[in-house]
Amino acid sequence: DQQVKQNSPSLSVQEGRISILNCDYTNSMFDYFLWYKKYPAEGPTFLISISSIKDKNEDGRFTVFLNKSAKHLSLHIVPSQPGDSAVYFCAAFGGSQGNLIFGKGTKLSVKP
Amino acid sequence: GAGVSQSPRYKVAKRGQDVALRCDPISGHVSLFWYQQALGQGPEFLTYFQNEAQLDKSGLPSDRFFAERPEGSVSTLKIQRTQQEDSAVYLCASSFPRGELFFGEGSRLTVL
Repeated sequence: DQQVKQNSPSLSVQEGRISILNCDYTNSMFDYFLWYKKYPAEGPTFLISISSIKDKNEDGRFTVFLNKSAKHLSLHIVPSQPGDSAVYFCAAFGGSQGNLIFGKGTKLSVKP
Repeated sequence: GAGVSQSPRYKVAKRGQDVALRCDPISGHVSLFWYQQALGQGPEFLTYFQNEAQLDKSGLPSDRFFAERPEGSVSTLKIQRTQQEDSAVYLCASSFPRGELFFGEGSRLTVL
């Protein structure tokens, strides 16, 4: 059973607009969440994280929101740029697990 | 180099062959992880080391998969008697404990 779910396999956005990528999780023991970005033929690269004691973390154009009661987090990219086109993975740490659990990813396409 | 280094980048094996994939983590990183990523999927956890101790190997799909990190630095993932379903990208990552994972570029294994 998937503990981290990204229900949208793809998302297309116009350059300059906001991109919103969503992620749901089932394990209430998760306490640290991360977003990774992946280009083809490269490994995932860390983008931004949030601890469960916060509900928002912002870094430049990237903001992650956490709603613990809904077990939901989202990544906002604004303004979106063509170079943001990549696969974005949501991941979570916590509970008895020392490893990071990943979602299946959302492929973002930002059109000029 | 400063990042996680994996070799080989690409490996083609005949069904039944043994393969060995190498990972050089970032110097000083205590934790080392192996993930398997099939096409169109997110990274799936295989195994995790803290220094030389293999703390979790629950993700290894069968006893044909074996990982080691004898001196707490370089790690090798070995797959014996490869099968076609083993074809995937094998990602290695390293981190400080509970920190963000830094990934290598992956080793793409194709089993014919």
